[in-house]
Amino acid sequence: DARVTQTPRDKVTEMGQEVTMRCQPILGHNTVFWYRQTMMQGLELLAYFRNRAPLDDSGMPKDRFSAEMPDATLATLKIQPSEPRDSAVYFCASGLLTGAAGELFFGEGSRLTVL
Amino acid sequence: EDQVTQSPEALRLQEGESSSLNCSYTVSGLRGLFWYRQDPGKGPEFLFTLYSAGEEKEKERLKATLTKKESFLHITAPKPEDSATYLCAVRYTGFQKLVFGTGTRLLVSP
Repeated sequence: DARVTQTPRDKVTEMGQEVTMRCQPILGHNTVFWYRQTMMQGLELLAYFRNRAPLDDSGMPKDRFSAEMPDATLATLKIQPSEPRDSAVYFCASGLLTGAAGELFFGEGSRLTVL
Repeated sequence: EDQVTQSPEALRLQEGESSSLNCSYTVSGLRGLFWYRQDPGKGPEFLFTLYSAGEEKEKERLKATLTKKESFLHITAPKPEDSATYLCAVRYTGFQKLVFGTGTRLLVSP
């Protein structure tokens, strides 16, 4: 049963520390997204990649967030330095998108708490 | 500004009490409207995609419909296991990203 895998599931860290979240997309999917979910804002798009190339990272605070896809089986989201306002659940999603068609499949999320 | 608005924010139903959730959008060039279900502590789970006005999709007790301005998710004779947050998202011309609404929290009591 193919699924998107995210690690860690839960992370508690102190302000100023570096945090790296990892995602293994579904094999064969050509597009990978990073979303952040909070009670106040709901699901917000941070960045996405098509065929490993970054297409849009306008949703990310550029000074502290970075997203990469070093190979087809791994996407990473890094926060350095982390701040309490970064506390949220971070979701990775992948899809086989052709034009406008294609649904996204989400991982279970990484819950980040920054103290 | 492109927006996706869901209503109500929360809905409480008795088991068997049918109702509808609304998703209205103000995007230009809609290329697809998506419904997801999210359970606590889980990622959103795909339910339906609708591409054009008049289209309908069904799955068990759920039926999604689409007009030029909004979509409805009809829940017929809901059961407690239908309790979840239902999210609506749109994809529009020129972009592959999904823009999500804030969801409707549904609670079905036995």
